[in-house]
Amino acid sequence: GAVVSQHPSWVICKSGTSVKIECRSLDFQATTMFWYRQFPKQSLMLMATSNEGSKATYEQGVEKDKFLINHASLTLSTLTVTSAHPEDSSFYICSANPTGGKAFFGQGTRLTVV
Amino acid sequence: RKEVEQDPGPFNVPEGATVAFNCTYSNSASQSFFWYRQDCRKEPKLLMSVYSSGNEDGRFTAQLNRASQYISLLIRDSKLSDSATYLCVAMGDTGNQFYFGTGTSLTVIP
Repeated sequence: GAVVSQHPSWVICKSGTSVKIECRSLDFQATTMFWYRQFPKQSLMLMATSNEGSKATYEQGVEKDKFLINHASLTLSTLTVTSAHPEDSSFYICSANPTGGKAFFGQGTRLTVV
Repeated sequence: RKEVEQDPGPFNVPEGATVAFNCTYSNSASQSFFWYRQDCRKEPKLLMSVYSSGNEDGRFTAQLNRASQYISLLIRDSKLSDSATYLCVAMGDTGNQFYFGTGTSLTVIP
């Protein structure tokens, strides 16, 4: 099946620093990728849609200046959490759907801001 | 109103039991539907797609009722390894966005 790789798997950072998360489609090209956030005991919440070669589309309530998304190639999208704060601690997951509408997910990144 | 509503459970069932999860969606234009399984602290993994005619994969049966905007997942002969959170997912009418239910927690007890 299609493979989506996400890196890093977990990261601990100090409050005020920025963290970059990478999402790669390993065996297919993805013009669109999605970034989700999941807080404990809650479902995945779509944060933004990453579009190759153009600006990302953010969901209501998600600060685009805080969560910077770059989709510079057909196989790579990055999410940068800028000036991270403890409330940004969460599980971040990316996904892409090559064919048939099925979404394949990265392994997820567990971010802890201290 | 949420795009996808799902009973969060938890469901605690003995091994060998049959358990059913239900899910409703609000957008009648939604195109496709899926059940994903998510283990603790892991990414969701596709369990099965859901078709109007109903589809079965081993012990798992998924059904879609478009008229009622209702999706179900039936697990027969539950195994301990079935313990996980099951996410109901609807694809938006644009064909891009996925909307997730809150997930239903299942624990299969020996």
